[in-house]
Amino acid sequence: GAVVSQHPSWVICKSGTSVKIECRSLDFQATTMFWYRQFPKQSLMLMATSNEGSKATYEQGVEKDKFLINHASLTLSTLTVTSAHPEDSSFYICSAYPVPGEQYFGPGTRLTVT
Amino acid sequence: DAKTTQPNSMESNEEEPVHLPCNHSTISGTDYIHWYRQLPSQGPEYVIHGLTSNVNNRMASLAIAEDRKSSTLILHRATLRDAAVYYCIVTTDSWGKLQFGAGTQVVVTP
Repeated sequence: GAVVSQHPSWVICKSGTSVKIECRSLDFQATTMFWYRQFPKQSLMLMATSNEGSKATYEQGVEKDKFLINHASLTLSTLTVTSAHPEDSSFYICSAYPVPGEQYFGPGTRLTVT
Repeated sequence: DAKTTQPNSMESNEEEPVHLPCNHSTISGTDYIHWYRQLPSQGPEYVIHGLTSNVNNRMASLAIAEDRKSSTLILHRATLRDAAVYYCIVTTDSWGKLQFGAGTQVVVTP
């Protein structure tokens, strides 16, 4: 089946620094990718839709200046958490559709801000 | 997108079938029904999706009520690996963004 990878799988950073998370579709091209965030014992929350060659679309309540998304190519989207704070500590997951109806997810990136 | 309602949890014995219900009473005629599952500390995994007819794949079956206001995901023989949170999601198109609810926690006992 289709594969979506994320890097890094986990990261620890100091408060006030920025962290970049990469999402790659390994065996298909994706003009659209999605970014989610998941806090412990909660469901996934859609943060934004990443569009290749254009600006990302953010869900209501998600700060676009804090969560920078760049969809640089048909196989790569990046999420940069700027000026991270402890409350940004979470599990970040990306996904994409290789075919209609079947969204494939990356393994997730666990971010801890100290 | 139509809202879905699922039980919080369900328990099953290993090698027995599991029937997971989902209510989506406000679904429209062209909405798709999707099922995903998530194991602990992993990204979600696609299970199955359908529009009007029942669907089968190697993982599960999806039974859609005639009025489409509800559906049931059927795992034919539960294994310990099937213990996960199962999410039922309705979207307006097959490339649509997914809004996850609380899902159903499935517990499989040996």
